[in-house]
Amino acid sequence: GENVEQHPSTLSVQEGDSAVIKCTYSDSASNYFPWYKQELGKRPQLIIDIRSNVGEKKDQRIAVTLNKTAKHFSLHITETQPEDSAVYFCAAPPGGQNFVFGPGTRLSVLP
Amino acid sequence: DVKVTQSSRYLVKRTGEKVFLECVQDMDHENMFWYRQDPGLGLRLIYFSYDVKMKEKGDIPEGYSVSREKKERFSLILESASTNQTSMYLCASSWTGPSNQPQHFGDGTRLSIL
Repeated sequence: GENVEQHPSTLSVQEGDSAVIKCTYSDSASNYFPWYKQELGKRPQLIIDIRSNVGEKKDQRIAVTLNKTAKHFSLHITETQPEDSAVYFCAAPPGGQNFVFGPGTRLSVLP
Repeated sequence: DVKVTQSSRYLVKRTGEKVFLECVQDMDHENMFWYRQDPGLGLRLIYFSYDVKMKEKGDIPEGYSVSREKKERFSLILESASTNQTSMYLCASSWTGPSNQPQHFGDGTRLSIL
């Protein structure tokens, strides 16, 4: 079955710096890769996703890159702000409509 | 906007009780999911359903069952609650498209078993 690993588990950056979180997956048939942000006490919310027919997708300060050959995808946040502090989860589908989630990365943006 | 509503934000129950967690979505989604979230373990899938009266086991189904009698409602049942089921429970839904679709989450139920 699908196995999703996520690194780092915690990440601290200075406000204005960039942050990168990387996920690897095992099932080469996976073709959809979402990223969720979960602020303290709130629900996980989709922030960006990418399908396997593209290598990169951007939405303002966030971007996701996908390397299907190496089976990894990364979340990039530029010009980080305190409101970016949260736990970020990646996911990959093992087949069917469900996802396998990574264990999460706690991002802290320091003022 | 998709709305996934979980019946309780906080719940305290006793060991051995039968516990029901309810989830309702308003977007006519075919798929519904129950996860538990524990620190350092991420979101682990308990059960999911892709249609009314259909259910599939996830990664950690032991000690749980589910019910989906109507399309909009998906219930998680703890048959005999135990202290190791103290956790945050998240419900999610998605529609079935030609390829995978994002899941939309509820606010979660923090369940404590005493």
